[in-house]
Amino acid sequence: GDKVKQSPSALSLQEGTNSALRCNFSIAATTVQWFLQNPRGSLMNLFYLVPGTKENGRLKSAFDSKESYSTLHIRDAQLEDSGTYFCAAGSSNTNKVVFGTGTRLQVLP
Amino acid sequence: ETAVFQTPNYHVTQVGNEVSFNCKQTLGHDTMYWYKQDSKKLLKIMFSYNNKQLIVNETVPRRFSPQSSDKAHLNLRIKSVEPEDSAVYLCASSQGGGATNTLYFGAGTRLSVL
Repeated sequence: GDKVKQSPSALSLQEGTNSALRCNFSIAATTVQWFLQNPRGSLMNLFYLVPGTKENGRLKSAFDSKESYSTLHIRDAQLEDSGTYFCAAGSSNTNKVVFGTGTRLQVLP
Repeated sequence: ETAVFQTPNYHVTQVGNEVSFNCKQTLGHDTMYWYKQDSKKLLKIMFSYNNKQLIVNETVPRRFSPQSSDKAHLNLRIKSVEPEDSAVYLCASSQGGGATNTLYFGAGTRLSVL
């Protein structure tokens, strides 16, 4: 089954609204990365996290290793936020990274 | 800001042909990777490579092979393509292992096998 599961799988938002994406792990993750894949296919790194939170502009991410999940909050969504968001769980014990199933986000005008 | 460069962007070929994709990173990283993204957008690691060690995902068919001339370059060769090889191939790099360092990706090479 999926070791890193993301929810929701797809989401539509009105411009200017807020949302939260979630990533649940069934592996022992020590790090989390969040990426945005734009419609052209480029994967852009948004956050690299150890347990805790980080904020960058309208984006905020949290990683709770004990409860095995991470969240990505988008505030005041803009059209350019559209794309597919991936989380990736890393284990420093195995040095492996496992990608989630992705959340496809569409921001509507 | 792009720092992982892949060529070509697209490639169309026929079953049985050999193809080769190039990847170069200008970040000075010591580890590079190839990922395969299928039609459902799932990302799976194929290879990770630094100047000391090649790690191969055991599910990768033997017709796939990485080729590196130095730590800034990691190419991917497919000896005899098959229809299921149609996918987007993404190259990435990191300083040290990807589990403990930020991964930087290229724009991908989309392969279509007819």
